[in-house]
Amino acid sequence: KNQVEQSPQSLIILEGKNCTLQCNYTVSPFSNLRWYKQDTGRGPVSLTIMTFSENTKSNGRYTATLDADTKQSSLHITASQLSDSASYICVGPPAGANNLFFGTGTRLTVIP
Amino acid sequence: GAVVSQHPSWVICKSGTSVKIECRSLDFQATTMFWYRQFPKQSLMLMATSNEGSKATYEQGVEKDKFLINHASLTLSTLTVTSAHPEDSSFYICSARVQGFNYGYTFGSGTRLTVV
Repeated sequence: KNQVEQSPQSLIILEGKNCTLQCNYTVSPFSNLRWYKQDTGRGPVSLTIMTFSENTKSNGRYTATLDADTKQSSLHITASQLSDSASYICVGPPAGANNLFFGTGTRLTVIP
Repeated sequence: GAVVSQHPSWVICKSGTSVKIECRSLDFQATTMFWYRQFPKQSLMLMATSNEGSKATYEQGVEKDKFLINHASLTLSTLTVTSAHPEDSSFYICSARVQGFNYGYTFGSGTRLTVV
């Protein structure tokens, strides 16, 4: 069964601190894994897209890692800012298909 | 590049009326668009896949007569919620698949529908 599970469900951190969000997937066959940021009341915005051959990819303060053997991915946010408060969604589309498998997301709150 | 514009961003309508939501690809041609529904604190749920010039493919449990989808051009797909009821109140998001791997899927900004 294709699934994408994320942890933690929610997270509160102080401004300036780092955090790491986790994603476990069972999507098969594997095409690529994506991380999106979704602000409240807005559509998701792409942060990173990784293929199975990529171990890490950065986008500014966001760094995603991928372990294709354990089927785990993480999103690391450094020097968090108040504007980082949002839901972070891990998404895995199967190869050759249009449908996306969405994780339930991690709700991050950055407090001053 | 690869921007999807969705309108309106929010709408309030009376029960029994119909509401149309538009999704436009601004700088690319979208052969395929997707419509999602999202309830508070939940993940996006795919409602239907819209292909230009053909009938939409609806997910199981989604009423095609209630959620009318039209994809008449390569840059525009519309979702019409017909005879809306309060239980249709939700956040609706469209998405388009972009040619070329680096873009993948681009999402609209969403439409908050409230039926009163």
